[in-house]
Formats: sequence, C-alpha cells, structure tokens
Amino acid sequence: ETGVTQTPRHLVMGMTNKKSLKCEQHLGHNAMYWYKQSAKKPLELMFVYSLEERVENNSVPSRFSPECPNSSHLFLHLHTLQPEDSALYLCASSQELTRGFGLTDTQYFGPGTRLTVL
Amino acid sequence: GQQLNQSPQSMFIQEGEDVSMNCTSSSIFNTWLWYKQEPGEGPVLLIALYKAGELTSNGRLTAQFGITRKDSFLNISASIPSDVGIYFCAVPPNSGYALNFGKGTSLLVTP
Repeated sequence: ETGVTQTPRHLVMGMTNKKSLKCEQHLGHNAMYWYKQSAKKPLELMFVYSLEERVENNSVPSRFSPECPNSSHLFLHLHTLQPEDSALYLCASSQELTRGFGLTDTQYFGPGTRLTVL
Repeated sequence: GQQLNQSPQSMFIQEGEDVSMNCTSSSIFNTWLWYKQEPGEGPVLLIALYKAGELTSNGRLTAQFGITRKDSFLNISASIPSDVGIYFCAVPPNSGYALNFGKGTSLLVTP
C-alpha cells in the first residue's frame, strides 16, 4: 500500500470512551502531523513529530495524547472527549519538517478519520 | 498565519468547460501547493511548485508559480463530473510547521 493510510475511517464514541486513531505512512518520510478539520473552519495543526520526537503541541487539550513509536506510525489516543471534538482528523507526512525550504515542505495527507463524539 | 486570497470562492460549470482559479498573497513563498478535497476525505496533492515561473501539468491540470513568488494559478481543462470538490492552494508557514491554506474554491460540474 502506498501513501498515507488512516484507520478507522469513521468512529463514533461516547464521552467516557477511550479510543485511538492510527496513521501509517509508506513514503519514507521523517515528519508526521495531526490536523483537525471542523466544519466551516480551516485546518488546525495539533501535533508535529520529527524522527519520532514531538516538536510542536499547539495548545491541544490533554484529552488528546499523541504517540509516535517510529517514523512510519503515528497514533492519537482519545479519552473523555467532548461533543465539540467531533471533526475530521487528518494525518499528514512530509520528507522533512515543513519550513519553507521547498521540496521537503510538501505534506501528503491521509484520508482522515471522521470522529463523532456523542 | 499568512493571508492567502483564493478566488473564486465557488464555480458552477458544465462538463467540458475549462476552469481557472488563483491564489495571491502579499508575502513571497518558495513553494506553492495545490490540493483537492472531496467531502469526508483528506486533501489530495495535485501539483507542487518549487520554482518561480514554473509551469507544471498533471493530466488535465496545469498550475503555475507566479514570477513574483506571490501568486499561483490552477487551470483544469475539459472538466468532468469527478472534478467536483474543493480546491485549495497552500504555502509553507513563516513560523511553525502548519501549511497555510487558502479558503478554497468549491467546484461543481454538471453533466
């Protein structure tokens, strides 16, 4: 399989549940990202990993917990979420961290996980 | 983030027509990216531009990196119904690591 894959594609959970989102990239990239996309809002960057080290956490609530066990896999662990957390969660990867240097900036996105919190 | 002005906001066209959309900014960038997003899916990279003046094609899609490095356009020739979706331009950030996206051009194609 090529590109960036995400599982599950759809997830419905209650506020007391614990679930995890999984992302895998098959591109040999060193940087991975979690974004949140809510209806009528621009993409919001949540977390950034470079070579399995977290380099950015954009004031994301602690009920979202990322994990990057290796450069190909990224997880987002979810617990005690709120209904307003319902959104499309997108994973992306790039060859290196996006810094405006050109070729290595390009981010490739997965298909997303549509999360609904009841 | 940087302000990207993407236009038009939406287009409603007939199959077979050509489409043109553009993105402008007051800032200079070294990279311009064009993505397409369909409902419930992640953005799919269409064309990446890395050099001012560069003109790149991907099938019926053609994109150009403006010579001033402040703009880019995307053309779609002979549109088909599966071209329906939202098209975004994106540039790398001045700080942080998040791509900065335009607000998108929503394209509807009727058979």
